[in-house]
Amino acid sequence: AQKITQTQPGMFVQEKEAVTLDCTYDTSDQSYGLFWYKQPSSGEMIFLIYQGSYDEQNATEGRYSLNFQKARKSANLVISASQLGDSAMYFCAMREGRNTGNQFYFGTGTSLTVIP
Amino acid sequence: GAGVSQSPRYKVAKRGQDVALRCDPISGHVSLFWYQQALGQGPEFLTYFQNEAQLDKSGLPSDRFFAERPEGSVSTLKIQRTQKEDSAVYLCASSLRTGVYNSPLHFGNGTRLTVT
Repeated sequence: AQKITQTQPGMFVQEKEAVTLDCTYDTSDQSYGLFWYKQPSSGEMIFLIYQGSYDEQNATEGRYSLNFQKARKSANLVISASQLGDSAMYFCAMREGRNTGNQFYFGTGTSLTVIP
Repeated sequence: GAGVSQSPRYKVAKRGQDVALRCDPISGHVSLFWYQQALGQGPEFLTYFQNEAQLDKSGLPSDRFFAERPEGSVSTLKIQRTQKEDSAVYLCASSLRTGVYNSPLHFGNGTRLTVT
């Protein structure tokens, strides 16, 4: 089974609108972290936001927020007030608490295009 | 520099040549990871170091791939007798802490390897 599933290969959003990028995960660990990364066409992976499995409140970082629904094992990224510079690939990732040395899993990504 | 530095940025190799990719992590970061990213895909784990110790190399696709981090800082990923299927972006990432699930990875810009 896939550890991280991103079901939206591509998304479009009008500038200044909000957009939600979906992510579901699969783990039997109680302790885990969920991360979102942005990858522009330049190729760098930019860390956006983190949510811990024990965090009761949804994480927020500026225009980014993470809609964490633990029972559904989903960790959707919400980008508010989209900007043209938000056009990029977005990856959801998970790091498990058990054997945390290398257990950092990535989804296949969602390509977001912001339309002016 | 404040970030993870990778060199070269681009590398073209003829099939059969050996290549060496360098990663200079963020100073003080204990953990170092190498990932391979094929076009349109998410990063795939290759190997992981904690200081100078290579704790996991389960993701290395063949014995032509070799990584080292002899002094616990700079790391080199070497690919011997390159094949066309080795063409990908190779991402290096470092993490401040080890053994915890809430420590994000910080990525370099990657090395785009093209094997002709």
